[in-house]
Amino acid sequence: QQQVKQSPQSLIVQKGGISIINCAYENTAFDYFPWYQQFPGKGPALLIAIRPDVSEKKEGRFTISFNKSAKQFSLHIMDSQPGDSATYFCAARGADSNYQLIWGAGTKLIIKP
Amino acid sequence: DTAVSQTPKYLVTQMGNDKSIKCEQNLGHDTMYWYKQDSKKFLKIMFSYNNKELIINETVPNRFSPKSPDKAHLNLHINSLELGDSAVYFCASSQDSTGYAEAFFGQGTRLTVV
Repeated sequence: QQQVKQSPQSLIVQKGGISIINCAYENTAFDYFPWYQQFPGKGPALLIAIRPDVSEKKEGRFTISFNKSAKQFSLHIMDSQPGDSATYFCAARGADSNYQLIWGAGTKLIIKP
Repeated sequence: DTAVSQTPKYLVTQMGNDKSIKCEQNLGHDTMYWYKQDSKKFLKIMFSYNNKELIINETVPNRFSPKSPDKAHLNLHINSLELGDSAVYFCASSQDSTGYAEAFFGQGTRLTVV
């Protein structure tokens, strides 16, 4: 199945809190999982990505946790800031011959000051 | 210098008209894409070109026709515009078509069909 399910659809977090966005997939042939961040009026931009041979990847306040057996991965934003308010998309490299990215539906994150 | 630039940024037009959106990338990338983002922010790939050759052609109406005159440009022409075509259209590029390469997006073209 060429699907990535993302939740929640929207999320409100207090400044300084931890934001957590979850994604799940079915196809075990997926082998690359990026997260993109989109600010209003802008195109998405790569934030962080992980391959299934590691369980965690951290870049600054952003961490991807990857659970291969559960076929789930999540984005954690530590010490969330108002500037993190954006829409976040998870994605997976598809397993068909085109290797196109399969996108989650997006999570609108609002960080309250 | 803008890496992926698309014009126009806004496009308001009447039903039945034909319009084009232009995209250029100065990153030297081999692969370019068109995405459609609807009002719920869902991103849907429409087309992908690698070195001017069409490699992804998702199920979109044949009123949509991409054209890649060279690997730095990918334009989108839309015939007989319908209300349901209203969306934000993003052009993107990546180093290659492996699926591992980072995709760089333009700022989007907001198309409104009235």
